[in-house]
Amino acid sequence: QKEVEQDPGPLSVPEGAIVSLNCTYSNSAFQYFMWYRQYSRKGPELLMYTYSSGNKEDGRFTAQVDKSSKYISLFIRDSQPSDSATYLCAMSAGQAGTALIFGKGTTLSVSS
Amino acid sequence: DSGVTQTPKHLITATGQRVTLRCSPRSGDLSVYWYQQSLDQGLQFLIQYYNGEERAKGNILERFSAQQFPDLHSELNLSSLELGDSALYFCASSQGGISSPLHFGNGTRLTVT
Repeated sequence: QKEVEQDPGPLSVPEGAIVSLNCTYSNSAFQYFMWYRQYSRKGPELLMYTYSSGNKEDGRFTAQVDKSSKYISLFIRDSQPSDSATYLCAMSAGQAGTALIFGKGTTLSVSS
Repeated sequence: DSGVTQTPKHLITATGQRVTLRCSPRSGDLSVYWYQQSLDQGLQFLIQYYNGEERAKGNILERFSAQQFPDLHSELNLSSLELGDSALYFCASSQGGISSPLHFGNGTRLTVT
C-alpha cells in the first residue's frame, strides 16, 4: 500500500460546479497536510496548508482533514475554467529527516 | 511567481552523460529540496539541504548527488544518465522549520536520448 493514495481522474465538471478532491493515507504520523495546484509546464503551487484535523477555508477553497479516517479533502466552490489543473495532496509527519510526501495528483478540467 | 529559480528549463542529453541542474531558493529560505516528477511515479523526494548541510534523503540514486553552497543556491548532479532518468526535476525551498510549506520552482525538463 502506498503511503498516499489519490485518484488520478481525470475529473471533468461544468463551470460553477462544486468539486471534491480526496486523498487517503496510511501513515498515522502525518500531521501537516497541504494541497498544491500544478498547471501544465509549471511547478506545484501551494493552495492550502492545514495542521492536524479540522477544516480550513480560503475563498472558494476548503480543506478538510479527518485523521481518524486518514482522509483529506479539498473542495472547490463555484469552479472556474482557470481551476483546470492537476491537484496534488501532500503530507508530512513534521519530524526532522522526513520529507513532504505527495499523492500522484488528480487532473481537473472545468468547462465553460 | 514562487521566487524559486531553476535553470536550465530544458535539457536534452545522451545516455551516459552528466548534467548539472541549478536552483536558487526564495530570498530568506534556508532549506532546499529536490524532487523528481515522472508520469508513472508522481513527485518523488530526492534530497533536502538546510543551510549547506544534508538534512534528509529520499529515493536518490547513487548516480545522483547534490550540494548547497554558502550563498544557499543548490545544484543537483546527475551522472551516467539512463533513458529512465528522463523526467521533470523540481527544486523547492522553505524557511526550514519542520512544518514550513514548500515553494516550488518551475522545474528542469530533462530528456535523455
